[in-house]
Amino acid sequence: QKEVEQNSGPLSVPEGAIASLNCTYSDRGSQSFFWYRQYSGKSPELIMFIYSNGDKEDGRFTAQLNKASQYVSLLIRDSQPSDSATYLCAVRANDYKLSFGAGTTVTVRA
Amino acid sequence: KAGVTQTPRYLIKTRGQQVTLSCSPISGHRSVSWYQQTPGQGLQFLFEYFSETQRNKGNFPGRFSGRQFSNSRSEMNVSTLELGDSALYLCASADGQINSPLHFGNGTRLTVT
Repeated sequence: QKEVEQNSGPLSVPEGAIASLNCTYSDRGSQSFFWYRQYSGKSPELIMFIYSNGDKEDGRFTAQLNKASQYVSLLIRDSQPSDSATYLCAVRANDYKLSFGAGTTVTVRA
Repeated sequence: KAGVTQTPRYLIKTRGQQVTLSCSPISGHRSVSWYQQTPGQGLQFLFEYFSETQRNKGNFPGRFSGRQFSNSRSEMNVSTLELGDSALYLCASADGQINSPLHFGNGTRLTVT
């Protein structure tokens, strides 16, 4: 079982729609959770982080964490063509190691 | 603040050679992590250094090694290069706390021929 799994893509959404990205993790003791965006040919950039159960909103992005279900998600509201990228879920365990999922590629259709 | 700086940006080596990659973290950050990214395997964790000590290690062979200096700068070395080592190597720094995010450099693109 992989440490961090993301829903397989690619995910194609029309401009203005909501893109929903999901991530599950295997280590129940995981402490903190991150979402990164990576454009083709570029390095990952941090979008959001969350470490308490519930929702956290930042602009058009909302991260949701459910530790009991070992599940973290990212919602992108009012999707724009500039949101087209690969989104990486990352999970940090108690030993400080940060593991990444394989990523979900999102394409926003104009 | 300046971001994470990796040098060189591109590197071409021949099988059997060795290579050293360099990473300068964001000022004040004491943790440096290294990742290998390939199209098929995604981001694979190599190792993390915190205050000059290796705090974590991924599942890579001993040909991959690293170190961190007292100024938090880090180097990664790969010996006896193989074709499969061709990848983007990413360095990321953090302040080292459990909830702190990683900030990535632009990466070093290594091609082994």
